[in-house]
Amino acid sequence: SAVISQKPSRDICQRGTSLTIQCQVDSQVTMMFWYRQQPGQSLTLIATANQGSEATYESGFVIDKFPISRPNLTFSTLTVSNMSPEDSSIYLCSVVVGPNEQFFGPGTRLTVL
Amino acid sequence: QQPVQSPQAVILREGEDAVINCSSSKALYSVHWYRQKHGEAPVFLMILLKGGEQKGHEKISASFNEKKQQSSLYLTASQLSYSGTYFCGTESSARQLTFGSGTQLTVLP
Repeated sequence: SAVISQKPSRDICQRGTSLTIQCQVDSQVTMMFWYRQQPGQSLTLIATANQGSEATYESGFVIDKFPISRPNLTFSTLTVSNMSPEDSSIYLCSVVVGPNEQFFGPGTRLTVL
Repeated sequence: QQPVQSPQAVILREGEDAVINCSSSKALYSVHWYRQKHGEAPVFLMILLKGGEQKGHEKISASFNEKKQQSSLYLTASQLSYSGTYFCGTESSARQLTFGSGTQLTVLP
């Protein structure tokens, strides 16, 4: 397994502002993902953030809205830009450990007013 | 395309058994199962790779029928700690998981 931390754990933001979420892993991992989970809903993949390449975004998510950095094998950031109340959600990073197992960070609970 | 989970919700008494199903319209590389408690991150339970294997984890086991593109999670002699929402995540390529809508399991004393 891996120990994954996220900062901040929660935040309340004003409409139109941006928030950067950090994901830190205690070991080097190649594959990292960012997910969104809206209240009472399932998890939706936002993008894949592999070190050494540009992030790849899923349908409905764009780089201008959710820029991602992956400077090294233990760290990534997701920025939620120009926020609106519809962006209120839990944002989770996940990593692949070993050949197949995928583990999630504790999540960042974002509320946009 | 999102896999279909059934049932949406189930209520059990402690000690009873439950089965949660997950089916996909796409060819699958693997199926992952997670449990999420309210306000917490999903916790990895197990992964099943194509090949029709079955796995066990304490009193929780799962099967994967590659031909039918289906997986089932079996909870036997359920405990109060089993309560939560169970998600299947299907992997068709590149380690990207597509999650089902979840099954809310409630175990009553």
